[in-house]
Amino acid sequence: NAGVTQTPKFRILKIGQSMTLQCTQDMNHNYMYWYRQDPGMGLKLIYYSVGAGITDKGEVPNGYNVSRSTTEDFPLRLELAAPSQTSVYFCASSYSGQIRQADGYTFGSGTRLTVV
Amino acid sequence: DQQVKQNSPSLSVQEGRISILNCDYTNSMFDYFLWYKKYPAEGPTFLISISSIKDKNEDGRFTVFLNKSAKHLSLHIVPSQPGDSAVYFCAARKSLEDKIIFGKGTRLHILP
Repeated sequence: NAGVTQTPKFRILKIGQSMTLQCTQDMNHNYMYWYRQDPGMGLKLIYYSVGAGITDKGEVPNGYNVSRSTTEDFPLRLELAAPSQTSVYFCASSYSGQIRQADGYTFGSGTRLTVV
Repeated sequence: DQQVKQNSPSLSVQEGRISILNCDYTNSMFDYFLWYKKYPAEGPTFLISISSIKDKNEDGRFTVFLNKSAKHLSLHIVPSQPGDSAVYFCAARKSLEDKIIFGKGTRLHILP
């Protein structure tokens, strides 16, 4: 059981380039999330989705776009990369946003992105 | 506006002793609290949680205590082991919302 898979693990982008961070889960979770973690900071929510075809903004959505065409996949798109987007990006999923069960979110292993 | 605060960036504890990690929150609407553990180059993994209707939850070596009046929770690890060296994130969820809010994390070092 793979859980949440993120690709690529590392990427260096030049300012103004674009890229898509891939995230897929095989647990049939309805809810998926994108977080970024800057050095010395906690995880900040970028976008989340409560099901296929439904997405919503988190705390720091500017500069990013998402889509959710299937239950399994939740890609994050950077259109015009900026140095401020240098960060580690984590994708996560859960059965429900109304977390009552003990397991909370399942996270991927992260994508380390550097914009130069 | 940091709603979940972990004021200690790092903590060093001797192997075998108790580790206590602290977390404060500002929003009284939070009704569910979680602790996540993160190793370098890995994603966070769920450790333990507590509902606001409880004041304690225990799972093996890990116990979380919640003091609602003080808006404070703590994670106790007894006894501390080398594999406990990691970054620990406190997180909280508001009633009826779909997402959780994370603190900045505390790096725990278990000393031999």
